[in-house]
Amino acid sequence: ETGVTQTPRHLVMGMTNKKSLKCEQHLGHNAMYWYKQSAKKPLELMFVYSLEERVENNSVPSRFSPECPNSSHLFLHLHTLQPEDSALYLCASSQGPTSGTTDTQYFGPGTRLTVL
Amino acid sequence: AQSVAQPEDQVNVAEGNPLTVKCTYSVSGNPYLFWYVQYPNRGLQFLLKYITGDNLVKGSYGFEAEFNKSQTSFHLKKPSALVSDSALYFCAVRDGITGGGNKLTFGTGTQLKVEL
Repeated sequence: ETGVTQTPRHLVMGMTNKKSLKCEQHLGHNAMYWYKQSAKKPLELMFVYSLEERVENNSVPSRFSPECPNSSHLFLHLHTLQPEDSALYLCASSQGPTSGTTDTQYFGPGTRLTVL
Repeated sequence: AQSVAQPEDQVNVAEGNPLTVKCTYSVSGNPYLFWYVQYPNRGLQFLLKYITGDNLVKGSYGFEAEFNKSQTSFHLKKPSALVSDSALYFCAVRDGITGGGNKLTFGTGTQLKVEL
């Protein structure tokens, strides 16, 4: 899992706090992803960045704000979250458009977020 | 639209016995299929994928999966289970016809428990 790292691993925040999740990939990939994993539900794709441009936003509430300053780093800025936003947030990366049909996503260890 | 079904929430198997974790899929075009494994408090680890070619795909840790187009299935198998294989397994599919980037659709996961 050293290919994709995420910090912090655990985060507890109040509903009025502002915090950020960080993801870094060391694989030379061009695409990065944020997923939300809740108990007993399929992984939910939140955002996709390809070559630092956001290419997918799956109707995510505006209290989640992604940022991709370069192809190695991805952030998820959080503000005024709700308790139902508590989940494991996973970051992934892949080679992206240049790899065609064989493109494979590799995941980080996740950030366990608890909103009080 | 693409979808994945993992019909079993949990699979129990004795160590040394063969294991099968089931997955069926639905896509409009050619399916690109993936298996990932998630250990507690960890991210998803890539196991194997089917893109084209041989229907039997071999992956990490002795796992393999068989692509069956007529049954739209991609079951994960291992000839001899280990206690250390106990984890949560996810099947995922990407539709080759949509051109919608690298959007993966995941199943809800199957908890594998291998007992002595």
